[in-house]
Amino acid sequence: DVKVTQSSRYLVKRTGEKVFLECVQDMDHENMFWYRQDPGLGLRLIYFSYDVKMKEKGDIPEGYSVSREKKERFSLILESASTNQTSMYLCASSPDYYEQYFGPGTRLTVT
Amino acid sequence: DQQVKQNSPSLSVQEGRISILNCDYTNSMFDYFLWYKKYPAEGPTFLISISSIKDKNEDGRFTVFLNKSAKHLSLHIVPSQPGDSAVYFCAARYSGGGADGLTFGKGTHLIIQP
Repeated sequence: DVKVTQSSRYLVKRTGEKVFLECVQDMDHENMFWYRQDPGLGLRLIYFSYDVKMKEKGDIPEGYSVSREKKERFSLILESASTNQTSMYLCASSPDYYEQYFGPGTRLTVT
Repeated sequence: DQQVKQNSPSLSVQEGRISILNCDYTNSMFDYFLWYKKYPAEGPTFLISISSIKDKNEDGRFTVFLNKSAKHLSLHIVPSQPGDSAVYFCAARYSGGGADGLTFGKGTHLIIQP
């Protein structure tokens, strides 16, 4: 079974803090993704990566950056957390351009 | 502009009956569609998919129908069970889109009533 793990299930941070969300997959997938899920807005793509050290902006990249130094690990960075970044963050990986496998999510609250 | 639309935020169905979740799309370049199921505090899990070369795909209690001319797909669950209560997301992509992510709808919260 594909396993995608995320470093924290719940996280509380203060406004202005730098926040790191980590994601690891164990299936040697080329592609990895970060989404956020908000009520009434569905899942929105923040960033994705199709190879080590490669990254592309998704639909809502503002306020975020990413890092992919190793194939299995994809990190999402909030440079200076703001309250409007309170959300559920979901990481996914994919072996191709179709089905994606999601991690359990990180519920981030910024106060 | 929302390219994948799920116009029903919620749907309530009696246990044992058929659940029909609908999804419309606007981008005619989409050629692959997926349904994901999501429980609270968990990540979405893949349910079923369909390629645009087909009009139906079935997997146990789940069937997805695709009407390309209407740019519409639907997920049928029969019979509905209490464990089917979850949020269902419709997603789409097109083969020429490279490795970028799926385009998701906003989701439909399915509630199965005993």
